[in-house]
Amino acid sequence: DAGVIQSPRHEVTEMGQEVTLRCKPISGHDYLFWYRQTMMRGLELLIYFNNNVPIDDSGMPEDRFSAKMPNASFSTLKIQPSEPRDSAVYFCASSSIAQGATYNEQFFGPGTRLTVL
Amino acid sequence: SQQGEEDPQALSIQEGENATMNCSYKTSINNLQWYRQNSGRGLVHLILIRSNEREKHSGRLRVTLDTSKKSSSLLITASRAADTASYFCATDPYQGGKLIFGQGTELSVKP
Repeated sequence: DAGVIQSPRHEVTEMGQEVTLRCKPISGHDYLFWYRQTMMRGLELLIYFNNNVPIDDSGMPEDRFSAKMPNASFSTLKIQPSEPRDSAVYFCASSSIAQGATYNEQFFGPGTRLTVL
Repeated sequence: SQQGEEDPQALSIQEGENATMNCSYKTSINNLQWYRQNSGRGLVHLILIRSNEREKHSGRLRVTLDTSKKSSSLLITASRAADTASYFCATDPYQGGKLIFGQGTELSVKP
């Protein structure tokens, strides 16, 4: 398996522009997570999905952020309009809870480094 | 506040020495996991210890869990320069997919 795939790897944009980050989870995984990492705030969970349904979006900073998972193999995180304080590395991760198991190791993508000027 | 808090925040050692990192958490858990993050990369799972386990080994890694103290430690023996990375503990208090990550310990191993 290719692992979790994220695109783009780097994004530089101007304040006010729309930004769309993409993620392809590992095939067969039923959980998908979006994280944001900064030096100041560390690793923050923004939102996660189970079987394509958003379960907890309490980490989404504000209405400028939205996430979708139209099918089991694709998710997007959109920021509109973007602001300089959104500059961070955004990670997508996926996991699978095997039936009857209690473990839930997460597999992370390489991240998207977003810079908003 | 963070469920998992690592200690120390940063650790610098010489190659060949052992490195110990600690993690404390607040609520009951199903398991505790440790992840490593090399600079500029995503996190990589290292080891998982279940709530009914007290110690687990994997290669040069040794993890302990004390549920009465709500704490865990990660020991890396005979460290190498390639072990230089940030290490995060993650707890699973929700019986589901969600994990709570700590702030991480930045380990620097000098050759």
